This record gives sequence, structure tokens and C-alpha cells, in this order.
Amino acid sequence: GQNIDQPTEMTATEGAIVQINCTYQTSGFNGLFWYQQHAGEAPTFLSYNVLDGLEEKGRFSSFLSRSKGYSYLLLKELQMKDSASYLCAVLDSNYQLIWGAGTKLIIKP
Amino acid sequence: GAVVSQHPSWVICKSGTSVKIECRSLDFQATTMFWYRQFPKQSLMLMATSNEGSKATYEQGVEKDKFLINHASLTLSTLTVTSAHPEDSSFYICSARETSDYNEQFFGPGTRLTVL
Repeated sequence: GQNIDQPTEMTATEGAIVQINCTYQTSGFNGLFWYQQHAGEAPTFLSYNVLDGLEEKGRFSSFLSRSKGYSYLLLKELQMKDSASYLCAVLDSNYQLIWGAGTKLIIKP
Repeated sequence: GAVVSQHPSWVICKSGTSVKIECRSLDFQATTMFWYRQFPKQSLMLMATSNEGSKATYEQGVEKDKFLINHASLTLSTLTVTSAHPEDSSFYICSARETSDYNEQFFGPGTRLTVL
């Protein structure tokens, strides 16, 4: 079966750095997405990785290792507004998005 | 660019009535649109995949006669919840995949449905 694992909840301090991990087992791989979702809102796109390595975009970076079936989202200089759920999703061989359950990130002052 | 709208944003209806939700890609053509449902504190659950001009493909456990999907044009898909009941109360989100870009999905803002 297809499976995406990420921690249910994480807590971090404002101004700090946090890394949210995601491991996956899917039938085929056409890329991995990270989305941010605030409560009561739809997901918003953060990053897309299809090749191994680190993609940096401002305070957010995403890493992928296809051989390990592993990705992480790194958030730097955390702000209170970063409190949200972060969803990892993999595009499988049928170009279907397989979703993780999401990681709720709580930022404390 | 790549904006997807949904209408209405929220709706409250009585049990037994039908509710139609529209999903539009405003500045691009979308051959494929996806309908998701999300219950509180849970992840997105794909309900169906809608391809323009053809019948939708429903995920296991989703009743196609209850959740009617129409994708008549490259910019519009509709989801009709027929004979809605309180257990259908949820956050319904659509996403659209651009014709020329097979990978990224763009999400609408979602529709919160409350059935009394």
C-alpha cells in the first residue's frame, strides 16, 4: 500500500528553527510537495521537489532523498504566523497526490 | 496566476436538501480537477478526480450518486451534495491541475458545509 508518515504535532519557539520530516512509500514517484494549511483554510503551496537535494525559498527549505524515501521541510526564524499544519504529499506513478496526515506546528513566544 | 475560486465559501442547509459547490480556475485551463473533503483535525481525503468532458472517478467509499460531479468546461467543475445529512457537514476543497503542467495542483479556498 501507499503510505506517508509525518509527526502529528511539533512545538517550537518563535525565532528558532524547526525541521518537519516526512517519509513515504508509494507506487512510483513524480515529486513531493509541501503545503501549509491554517485552520479553516485551504492548503497553500510551499515547495515541490522531484530531484534529490535542498531547495531553498526564503525562510523555508525543502530537502528530498529519493533513495531513502525521505523529505524534510525546514523553517527558519520562526514567526507566530507559521503556526499551522504542514502537509507532505507525494505524486505517485498515476500523477495522483498521496497525502500525509499533516504535522501541526505550534509556535510559542 | 494560477488562481482557483470556490463558491460559496460557506453554506448552511437543512437535512435533505441538495447543495451545489462551484470550482473555477480563473486564469488557466484545467483538464483535471480534484474534490477533497476534510473533517476537523483530519487530513485531506480525496473524494473524486474530475476530467473535463468525461465522468468523474470516485475514490472507494464515496457514493457517486450522492456526490454528483460535473466538469463541463476547462475552467469549471461542480460538486452537488444531494440529500445532504448532518454527517456530510465538512470542509470541501477543490483543486485544479493546469493542462500544461502535469504536476502542481492549485487549491481553491474551500467551502464549509453545515447541514442542520
